[in-house]
Amino acid sequence: QVQLKETGPGLVQPTQTLSITCTVSGFSLTSYYMQWVRQTPGKGLEWMGFIRSGGSTEYNSEFKSRLSISRDTSKNQVFLKMNSLKTEDTGVYYCARESRTGSFDYWGQGVMVTVSS
Amino acid sequence: NIVMTQSPKSMSISVGDRVTMNCKASQNVGNNIAWYQQKPGQSPKLLIYYASNRYTGVPDRFTGGGYGTDFTLTINSVQAEDAAFYYCQRIYNSWTFGGGTKLELK
Repeated sequence: QVQLKETGPGLVQPTQTLSITCTVSGFSLTSYYMQWVRQTPGKGLEWMGFIRSGGSTEYNSEFKSRLSISRDTSKNQVFLKMNSLKTEDTGVYYCARESRTGSFDYWGQGVMVTVSS
Repeated sequence: NIVMTQSPKSMSISVGDRVTMNCKASQNVGNNIAWYQQKPGQSPKLLIYYASNRYTGVPDRFTGGGYGTDFTLTINSVQAEDAAFYYCQRIYNSWTFGGGTKLELK
């Protein structure tokens, strides 16, 4: 069955870089777009960006300058890296699979990230 | 950028009631809307896609409607397990979410 699981550091210091891995099973990354969404107390659910089945990426302009999404298809993993973290980046980060209808049909359980010194 | 505005922010409903919540897009998005349910400590779950299509396994008491800029999610005969946050989302081009509606049971 389809499963997604995010793993990440939990606590990151301000100005540092956040790295999160999304490991998927039950489908191929070369057949689906993979999305990243975060949920913060200040802004709620925010779409961050995605990586296409072919490997190209698109980013929300709110994050474009500091966000990078990549993948390793051999390991069934998608990666999110965001630099210059601020306290307001504290929140839960989710990876999700984009369905054929553009909606997000499967989500990971999310990883809580706290930005604090 | 398109802004998705949901109303009301919260509502308190009795089991068995019918409830309708709203989602308004700042520009015409056609039927490119999805609805999600999120319970505390859980990730969002897809309910509706393309504004009015029920996702696999979603009970038929959930109905989506609307086109263009105004959309609704209706729950007929609300059940206790429906207490949750509900979010609309514009899909394609930029997957913007609304601020959510919190559904509480009396």
